[in-house]
Amino acid sequence: GENVEQHPSTLSVQEGDSAVIKCTYSDSASNYFPWYKQELGKRPQLIIDIRSNVGEKKDQRIAVTLNKTAKHFSLHITETQPEDSAVYFCAASIAGNTPLVFGKGTRLSVIA
Amino acid sequence: DVKVTQSSRYLVKRTGEKVFLECVQDMDHENMFWYRQDPGLGLRLIYFSYDVKMKEKGDIPEGYSVSREKKERFSLILESASTNQTSMYLCASSEASGNTIYFGEGSWLTVV
Repeated sequence: GENVEQHPSTLSVQEGDSAVIKCTYSDSASNYFPWYKQELGKRPQLIIDIRSNVGEKKDQRIAVTLNKTAKHFSLHITETQPEDSAVYFCAASIAGNTPLVFGKGTRLSVIA
Repeated sequence: DVKVTQSSRYLVKRTGEKVFLECVQDMDHENMFWYRQDPGLGLRLIYFSYDVKMKEKGDIPEGYSVSREKKERFSLILESASTNQTSMYLCASSEASGNTIYFGEGSWLTVV
């Protein structure tokens, strides 16, 4: 089955700097890669996703890139703000076919 | 707005007790999931269901069972709670062909 590895497990950045979180997956059939953000004490919520037919997707300060050949995808957050502090999870699945398999999460701290 | 409701937010149970965690979604979603969240281990899939009365084992089903008698309701059952089942449990749902899953607020279970 699918295995998703996520790095780093913790990340501290200064406010205004960029943050990058990386994930690798094992199943070449996976074609859907979402990112979830979980603020302290709250539920995980989808912030961006990408499908295997595109290499990059942006939404304001966040972007996700996908390298199908290398089987890895990354989350990029630019101009970080204190409210970006949270745990971020990457995940992978075969769209509409298998449940999401999540990475272990990255705790991002943005220092003002 | 999708709503996934977990009726019990905080529970304390004794070792050996039978525990029911209830989850209801109001968006007529076909798919429902139970994940367990532990620090450093991410979100691990316990069981999932793609239809009423249907259930599939996830990655860590041991010690758990589920029930889906109605489309909107998916229950997680701990037949005999043990201390290593102390954790946060997250219910989620999605459309049949959808990939985005929507989480409930989570149920914090402590087994003493």
